[in-house]
Amino acid sequence: GQQVMQIPQYQHVQEGEDFTTYCNSSTTLSNIQWYKQRPGGHPVFLIQLVKSGEVKKQKRLTFQFGEAKKNSSLHITATQTTDVGTYFCAGGSNYKLTFGKGTLLTVNP
Amino acid sequence: SAVISQKPSRDICQRGTSLTIQCQVDSQVTMMFWYRQQPGQSLTLIATANQGSEATYESGFVIDKFPISRPNLTFSTLTVSNMSPEDSSIYLCSVVPRGRYEQYFGPGTRLTVT
Repeated sequence: GQQVMQIPQYQHVQEGEDFTTYCNSSTTLSNIQWYKQRPGGHPVFLIQLVKSGEVKKQKRLTFQFGEAKKNSSLHITATQTTDVGTYFCAGGSNYKLTFGKGTLLTVNP
Repeated sequence: SAVISQKPSRDICQRGTSLTIQCQVDSQVTMMFWYRQQPGQSLTLIATANQGSEATYESGFVIDKFPISRPNLTFSTLTVSNMSPEDSSIYLCSVVPRGRYEQYFGPGTRLTVT
């Protein structure tokens, strides 16, 4: 079945540094979604990418979808303590998602 | 968006017993899903809850162990049957509202089996 790999597993940064997490799929994805889960919380939807090579921005967050639609990345510029949490990518079709293992981001103030 | 409630929020259960988790949404939704998440781990899809028919289970999950009901468009239950310590986990329901594509998650049920 479909597998979604995500790296790194953990990332610790100083506040103000940038952060990137990468997601790779074993198969071509129809779309990819990104979720954030704060410690002790539940996953919250961030964005969906659908088109090959698509780039979307949300304030300090930049999301990219690869040309082959098999990989994606999330980049955070100038991290803040509010960015702490686990970031999951998820690929799927017909609403059903396969989640990556997630990247836990911690930020040292 | 959708507001989702789950009951109970947490429970400690004895081996061999069963627990039913409820998921209630404040609006009619297209899809409802049940996930399991070990602390610090990723989400694993258990099944898709189908309204008025049997749930669709993922590989490794069976109806006898995780019976699911979805009597209408806003409510579903997941039962964890004949529990063992390996079933200790967080169980989350999620929904896809009508006209949307993203999933909204409930707050989760933290289950500990002793």
